[in-house]
Amino acid sequence: NAGVMQNPRHLVRRRGQEARLRCSPMKGHSHVYWYRQLPEEGLKFMVYLQKENIIDESGMPKERFSAEFPKEGPSILRIQQVVRGDSAAYFCASSPRQENTIYFGEGSWLTVV
Amino acid sequence: QKEVEQDPGPLSVPEGAIVSLNCTYSNSAFQYFMWYRQYSRKGPELLMYTYSSGNKEDGRFTAQVDKSSKYISLFIRDSQPSDSATYLCAMSEEAGGTSYGKLTFGQGTILTVHP
Repeated sequence: NAGVMQNPRHLVRRRGQEARLRCSPMKGHSHVYWYRQLPEEGLKFMVYLQKENIIDESGMPKERFSAEFPKEGPSILRIQQVVRGDSAAYFCASSPRQENTIYFGEGSWLTVV
Repeated sequence: QKEVEQDPGPLSVPEGAIVSLNCTYSNSAFQYFMWYRQYSRKGPELLMYTYSSGNKEDGRFTAQVDKSSKYISLFIRDSQPSDSATYLCAMSEEAGGTSYGKLTFGQGTILTVHP
């Protein structure tokens, strides 16, 4: 029974490039959440999505960041024109329904050089 | 002031010790309280989940919530070297609307259990 799958696990981008992080939720889970963990900081909520819908994006930076969860395929967190401050671990979590028990993936570590 | 405060440690204890990890919070709307364990370069793993005040026990782990003091604790009995990890407390407001899965985390406490 596979858990939440994230890829790539590690990604290096130069300043100004785009980063795409993918997340496949656990089987049977249709709710996806993205969190960011900056160095020396705790996990911060970014966005909550259901299939084809953004439910809550109150934690997303206003510019350069976007997220989607299409009807088919994984959820994507997209960061355009990356800057050094975007270097962080990005975690995806999922749940089978609207609830607070969410299960995290192993994370994607983004390094901007 | 952060919504959730957690002593980052690090905390070092001998094998077999009882470990106490704590968080305080300021948002009285928090109703759901969780503890996650995170190994280095891995994702957080849910350990305990509690609704409102009270105690919950699962094996060597006991979670306590005192809403009147806005204080939560995780106790680990008979600690093992494999318990060495970062422990994160997390909280959420009353479920409803967009609140689901929107957790507020503490900074995490680094725990080392040495043989």
